[in-house]
This record gives sequence, structure tokens and C-alpha cells, in this order.
Amino acid sequence: DAGVTQSPTHLIKTRGQQVTLRCSPKSGHDTVSWYQQALGQGPQFIFQYYEEEERQRGNFPDRFSGHQFPNYSSELNVNALLLGDSALYLCASERMPGNTIYFGEGSWLTVV
Amino acid sequence: GENVEQHPSTLSVQEGDSAVIKCTYSDSASNYFPWYKQELGKRPQLIIDIRSNVGEKKDQRIAVTLNKTAKHFSLHITETQPEDSAVYFCAASEQAAGNKLTFGGGTRVLVKP
Repeated sequence: DAGVTQSPTHLIKTRGQQVTLRCSPKSGHDTVSWYQQALGQGPQFIFQYYEEEERQRGNFPDRFSGHQFPNYSSELNVNALLLGDSALYLCASERMPGNTIYFGEGSWLTVV
Repeated sequence: GENVEQHPSTLSVQEGDSAVIKCTYSDSASNYFPWYKQELGKRPQLIIDIRSNVGEKKDQRIAVTLNKTAKHFSLHITETQPEDSAVYFCAASEQAAGNKLTFGGGTRVLVKP
């Protein structure tokens, strides 16, 4: 039983560029959330997708957008990258409603 | 929105001693409180969780207590071992519509052999 898988694991982008991160939820899970974890801090909730719709959103600008596909996998898109977007991006999945969530290994994004 | 405070930020203990980490939350609607262990460069791993209808939960050397009235919950690790060294995060969520976890700032635990 595969857990939550994310790709890519590491990437480097230049300021102003756009990035897409991908996530496949744990088998049997239908809800995907994205978190940003800056170095030395706790993860911060970005948004959550369920039934292909954004259901909840944290305090992140519109530059952060996402999508969920019919197979429950998800993408996180960040436009106009800033140096401050450098972080570990974590995907988490759960089976609605409100069961234990599981995190993927994350995607390390460095913006230079 | 929810706000979670976590103390201490660093904790150094001797192997075999106990470690206690405390968190407070602000939103009385929160009803799910997980604890995560994160090793350097790794993902957060759930070590124990508690729901608001329970006051205490134990799993081998790890226990969590919850005081809903005071809005605080604590992690207790007994008989600490060097492999317990990591950063620990508490979190809170209202689970009714899926988890939107609000994390504390983390506690860096060092177990000295």
C-alpha cells in the first residue's frame, strides 16, 4: 500500500518563475491538503481539495493555486516565485470526513 | 482563526529521563490534536493523536493529555532514548470538514546518552 507520494523531491527555480508540484494521496484517501514549511518553522496550511474543489484555504496569496484530479491526485502551482517561497512543500491526504492524515516526504523548493 | 503555542522551543534531557512538551490552543471548536515527530530533512510523522472526547491516551512510552477547559494538551515521553531526538510539533484541527491543521512552533528535543 503506497503512502502519499510527491514529486519532484527537490527543485531550484529563479525569482519570477512558476512551479508545479504533484501529489498522489494514500490509497483510499480522497482529500488532499498542501502545507508550506519554512526552515525552522512548523508547517502552514495552504489549502485543501476534496471532490476536485478547494474546500478550505489558509492565508496564502492568489499566487498559490491548486487542482485535484478525478483520481484524487493533486497539483500545487505557485506563480511569480519570490525568494520567500523557498520551503518544504508537504502534501497530506486523508479520507473524508476528518480521519487521520498522512504526510508525503515533501518537495524542497529553492528560489534563487 | 486557530492559534497554537508550543513550549519549550528546545529541550535537553538525559537518556532515561522523561520529556514533557506543552501546547495551548485558542479555538474551542478544535477537536483533534495530533503530535508529529520530524527528523532532519524528513516528513512529519504522526506519533500519537487525541480527540476531544478523550482526556488521555497512551502508546508505550508516549502519552498525551488534553484539558479542554483550559485549552491545553501535552506530550509525555518516558524513558527517553537517543533515537527520540528530533523536532516535535503539536497541532490542532476542527475535524468536521476535513483537517486544517494549525501547528505549534515545534520543540527540538535532544536526548543525551
